[in-house]
Amino acid sequence: EDKVVQSPLSLVVHEGDTVTLNCSYEVTNFRSLLWYKQEKKAPTFLFMLTSSGIEKKSGRLSSILDKKELFSILNITATQTGDSAVYLCAVGLGTGGFKTIFGAGTRLFVKA
Amino acid sequence: GAVVSQHPSRVICKSGTSVKIECRSLDFQATTMFWYRQFPKQSLMLMATSNEGSKATYEQGVEKDKFLINHASLTLSTLTVTSAHPEDSSFYICSPHYRAGTETQYFGPGTRLLVL
Repeated sequence: EDKVVQSPLSLVVHEGDTVTLNCSYEVTNFRSLLWYKQEKKAPTFLFMLTSSGIEKKSGRLSSILDKKELFSILNITATQTGDSAVYLCAVGLGTGGFKTIFGAGTRLFVKA
Repeated sequence: GAVVSQHPSRVICKSGTSVKIECRSLDFQATTMFWYRQFPKQSLMLMATSNEGSKATYEQGVEKDKFLINHASLTLSTLTVTSAHPEDSSFYICSPHYRAGTETQYFGPGTRLLVL
């Protein structure tokens, strides 16, 4: 069975801290790994990763994929209260018409 | 990014009634539509996949007669929750796939359904 596992499930940090969110996966037909940020509504896209070892960066957020070890990390540096959200990791499959499987998410709370 | 709308954004209904949720892709043609459901503090669970003009494919455990999906055009898909019950209360999100080879997945803003 295809699965995506995120850790930790929840995290509380102080403003300015750096956090690392983990995502591991076991799927039969990997196509891509995606990270999303979800606040009150639908998820918003952060990154898509398809190749190992190439870091993607957007401001204080960065992510990297290891296809050999089947995991990805999402880093957030100098966290701000506005980073408080649920971060979802998803794996796009190469079959089933671009089907995507989501992890349970990491709930991040950044204290002022 | 792609523009996707859902209507209504929030609905409260009595048990036994049917609720229709519309999902529109406003600036592209969605050949495939994914419908997800998200219960509180849980992740998104894929309910069904539909291709324009053909019947939807439902995930295991999702009743096709209860969750009717229509994808009659490239810009509109509807999900009808028939005879809704309190356990159907959830956040329903559509996600159109709009171009072969495009990896990024966009979501509609979601519809929060509360069945009393």
